[in-house]
Amino acid sequence: AQSVSQHNHHVILSEAASLELGCNYSYGGTVNLFWYVQYPGQHLQLLLKYFSGDPLVKGIKGFEAEFIKSKFSFNLRKPSVQWSDTAEYFCAVRGNNRLAFGKGNQVVVIP
Amino acid sequence: AAGVIQSPRHLIKEKRETATLKCYPIPRHDTVYWYQQGPGQDPQFLISFYEKMQSDKGSIPDRFSAQQFSDYHSELNMSSLELGDSALYFCASTPPGVSYEQYFGPGTRLTVT
Repeated sequence: AQSVSQHNHHVILSEAASLELGCNYSYGGTVNLFWYVQYPGQHLQLLLKYFSGDPLVKGIKGFEAEFIKSKFSFNLRKPSVQWSDTAEYFCAVRGNNRLAFGKGNQVVVIP
Repeated sequence: AAGVIQSPRHLIKEKRETATLKCYPIPRHDTVYWYQQGPGQDPQFLISFYEKMQSDKGSIPDRFSAQQFSDYHSELNMSSLELGDSALYFCASTPPGVSYEQYFGPGTRLTVT
């Protein structure tokens, strides 16, 4: 079964700072990787996804992620965060049609 | 664009009661997934349906059952509710032939008192 590991569950940073959230996965098959964002009180929204091809994927709101197969990683980055990026971020891996999520990163951006 | 619809959005029940959660997938999506997200937890896969048949089963308690109907909407039935069932229940759907990306609904927040 697939699994996802996210570290630094609570991240606090100031506006304009850079953000990087780590994600390591475990799955023996072809990986489909996702980052979802959940704003306070809202549902999961897809930030970006990786299926194949260019390992550097760009998503919405200035986010990007890099798939490194040798490290089983799919880290999320944003060069300059805004207060509106305050949210919880989940990394997920698809295997056997179901998604397995990591524990999430609670990100708080201070104005 | 149409999104996944879930109803009700909020539900309060007492212990040992039953609850029914409904999910209406995006039009022409034929696969539905249910996830449970406890307070401060990551979403956990419960069950999925493809073309009205159960396609996969995760950590769904025996007290829960679900089905998908001919119009592709799905219902999650929960009986003998326990305090620990308090959670946000998400439904997601995928279109035919492309099951990589799941589109999530707003969720139903169930509170068991």
